[in-house]
Amino acid sequence: GAGVSQSPSNKVTEKGKDVELRCDPISGHTALYWYRQSLGQGLEFLIYFQGNSAPDKSGLPSDRFSAERTGGSVSTLTIQRTQQEDSAVYLCASSPTMAGGGYTFGSGTRLTVV
Amino acid sequence: RKEVEQDPGPFNVPEGATVAFNCTYSNSASQSFFWYRQDCRKEPKLLMSVYSSGNEDGRFTAQLNRASQYISLLIRDSKLSDSATYLCVVNYGQNFVFGPGTRLSVLP
Repeated sequence: GAGVSQSPSNKVTEKGKDVELRCDPISGHTALYWYRQSLGQGLEFLIYFQGNSAPDKSGLPSDRFSAERTGGSVSTLTIQRTQQEDSAVYLCASSPTMAGGGYTFGSGTRLTVV
Repeated sequence: RKEVEQDPGPFNVPEGATVAFNCTYSNSASQSFFWYRQDCRKEPKLLMSVYSSGNEDGRFTAQLNRASQYISLLIRDSKLSDSATYLCVVNYGQNFVFGPGTRLSVLP
């Protein structure tokens, strides 16, 4: 596609439920990042994928969070047993390399845990 | 010390004003620096990279001071459409850390 696509754009879920957030990066981009942004706050790094290398999971806040990237393309971020503090906008970005500055963000998934 | 720090803002300036934002980073090994812009309830978008010699793009000028671990963004002749949050981004190895952002409001 022309840009990074994320779905759903909005998700409201009950505390304790699991959610899956999807990111479809720009075709050919080898680097993919997940960030989250709480209301009025900066971006918090979650996880980074680069090609076939092992992902950098150092930003995942707890073991309830996991992510995978299938076939080097689409990525899914899974949050198990959601808590209210998980409410945030989850942003995905992709880049042709790990160059960072060339990366494009998707419009995000706004997650609300009630 | 936080990895990337920025002026807290908000900056409220009249149209036509010149405004400068500062950003400091803690990792002396960082090699890549960028400014992103984020409009309210939108995703961040790349504004410009920051090169060692400094670089300019129209009304925007970015500078890097490696010795002081400091980058800056200067906006000249500010427009109403420049109102946004400006995010400083610095690499830490293969990871990229975003600063908390500085909010700019350009007033008519």
